[in-house]
Amino acid sequence: EADIYQTPRYLVIGTGKKITLECSQTMGHDKMYWYQQDPGMELHLIHYSYGVNSTEKGDLSSESTVSRIRTEHFPLTLESARPSHTSQYLCASRDGDSPLHFGNGTRLTVT
Amino acid sequence: GEDVEQSLFLSVREGDSSVINCTYTDSSSTYLYWYKQEPGAGLQLLTYIFSNMDMKQDQRLTVLLNKKDKHLSLRIADTQTGDSAIYFCAETRSGTYKYIFGTGTRLKVLA
Repeated sequence: EADIYQTPRYLVIGTGKKITLECSQTMGHDKMYWYQQDPGMELHLIHYSYGVNSTEKGDLSSESTVSRIRTEHFPLTLESARPSHTSQYLCASRDGDSPLHFGNGTRLTVT
Repeated sequence: GEDVEQSLFLSVREGDSSVINCTYTDSSSTYLYWYKQEPGAGLQLLTYIFSNMDMKQDQRLTVLLNKKDKHLSLRIADTQTGDSAIYFCAETRSGTYKYIFGTGTRLKVLA
């Protein structure tokens, strides 16, 4: 069972603030992903990484950025939050072709 | 392009069987998955099947794959109120980063 942790669990922040959503996994998985999901709706891939120093944009255009300096850590940053960024952000990881394992998500509200 | 479709809602009585259906378009799919999402949480992997299998059973869960029709189903026997959630099917191909998720089926179990 993969252990993947996201913090914070909930975040309410004002427009224009810079935020970083944290994601860490302890399984040494090479691939990591960020998805954006409105409550109960479909998942949209916004970023993924094959490994250290490798990051790619996903299918959904996003104003966020990511970094992968260490295998276990894949933070997502919004330089200037806007109300349109209000959503749930899910981090996931996998090793090779193994199944994708998800964290519990960060529910972001931008006021 | 690749697509995965699911019906949006399913309602069953407690103790009955639930069958959640999914169709996909990518004939090169290698793995097909079922995930469960409870309110406010991430996606939990329930089960998965290789594309060279027809059926997989795991306790109350039975997965059926009809590769010719590109149809995947998840049967939950003796459905309980705790099974109420959104169920996502997903497919991927070996060696790629990409997971294609369906839109999710909201299962409501009536007591």
